[in-house]
Amino acid sequence: AQSVAQPEDQVNVAEGNPLTVKCTYSVSGNPYLFWYVQYPNRGLQFLLKYITGDNLVKGSYGFEAEFNKSQTSFHLKKPSALVSDSALYFCAVRDGGNTGKLIFGQGTTLQVKP
Amino acid sequence: DAGITQSPRHKVTETGTPVTLRCHQTENHRYMYWYRQDPGHGLRLIHYSYGVKDTDKGEVSDGYSVSRSKTEDFLLTLESATSSQTSVYFCAISESQLYEQYFGPGTRLTVT
Repeated sequence: AQSVAQPEDQVNVAEGNPLTVKCTYSVSGNPYLFWYVQYPNRGLQFLLKYITGDNLVKGSYGFEAEFNKSQTSFHLKKPSALVSDSALYFCAVRDGGNTGKLIFGQGTTLQVKP
Repeated sequence: DAGITQSPRHKVTETGTPVTLRCHQTENHRYMYWYRQDPGHGLRLIHYSYGVKDTDKGEVSDGYSVSRSKTEDFLLTLESATSSQTSVYFCAISESQLYEQYFGPGTRLTVT
């Protein structure tokens, strides 16, 4: 069965520093991976996805993610964090089959301090 | 934001009563999904639809039913609400099973 894990409940970084939010996955076949962000009392917003191709994927708001097949990881990164990046981040993997179902990680709270 | 609305946005109901949540989209996307979000569990799929009148169960479907009579509307019904169904419910849409999903603003449901 497909699964995804976010090993950190919370990540704290200082504004201006680089940030990394970790995600590891387990799939049979080729992975379809996604990152979403959720601000308080809002729905999830799509950030970026990996389907195939370059291992470094660029997304919205200056975020990027690095796909590493050998380590089965898909970490979210940003070179310089902003206070406004503080939010809840979810990694997800597409389930097998033709339904497009997503399997989500538990979420990681990012706290960026001034 | 993608053209997705959910109604109601907030609801408080009593145990044992039926509840229906509505998801409406203006994007004409084929796929629609209902998730629930609970602390420590991320989002879990309740039901999904891959076309009008075509629906199937997700991982936490017990106690829930769905209907999709039009492309734009996907209804989630709690037949007899229980306190364990207190949660935030999100609808999502997707043009294709290979594409990203776009989420609605959510419905906060409290069952007392």
